[in-house]
Amino acid sequence: GENVEQHPSTLSVQEGDSAVIKCTYSDSASNYFPWYKQELGKGPQLIIDIRSNVGEKKDQRIAVTLNKTAKHFSLHITETQPEDSAVYFCAASIRIGFQKLVFGTGTRLLVSP
Amino acid sequence: DAGVIQSPRHEVTEMGQEVTLRCKPISGHDYLFWYRQTMMRGLELLIYFNNNVPIDDSGMPEDRFSAKMPNASFSTLKIQPSEPRDSAVYFCASRPITRTGIKLSSGNTIYFGEGSWLTVV
Repeated sequence: GENVEQHPSTLSVQEGDSAVIKCTYSDSASNYFPWYKQELGKGPQLIIDIRSNVGEKKDQRIAVTLNKTAKHFSLHITETQPEDSAVYFCAASIRIGFQKLVFGTGTRLLVSP
Repeated sequence: DAGVIQSPRHEVTEMGQEVTLRCKPISGHDYLFWYRQTMMRGLELLIYFNNNVPIDDSGMPEDRFSAKMPNASFSTLKIQPSEPRDSAVYFCASRPITRTGIKLSSGNTIYFGEGSWLTVV
């Protein structure tokens, strides 16, 4: 089955810096890659996603890139703010069994003022 | 919309007791998921339903776990008997079906509830 690895497990940056979180997946059939943000005491919330027919997607300060050949995808956050501090999860799924998202282990991002 | 509603938010119980977690999905959503989150294993899908029917329960850890969805607005996850290793945060989530013309496709976004924090002592 699909396996998703995520790095780093923790990331500390200064406000205004960029943050990059990387994930690799094992199943070449995977074609949908969402990113979730989980704040303390809350459930994960979708922040951006990308399909395998797209190499990059951007939404304001966040962007996701996908390299299908290498089977990895990354989340980029620019001009980080303290409210970006949270745990971020990547995930992957295949079209068939589309409902079964496999999550990475999470990255705890701390943005210091 | 109120979002996915879970209860209880926190539960502390003794080993061997029955635990029932409850979920109200977002109205109109056709899919309902139960996830478990632990430090060791991260987010794991336990079971999901489509139109109240269980589709895949391969993630349910063992027979002590059971889930039901008697109607479109309510689901339960039951653990009987509970054990300390069941301590985790249990999330319920739902997802809509999108309808584009005559074609149905699964909406991408899974909406999570705020979780039920279970501690078994």
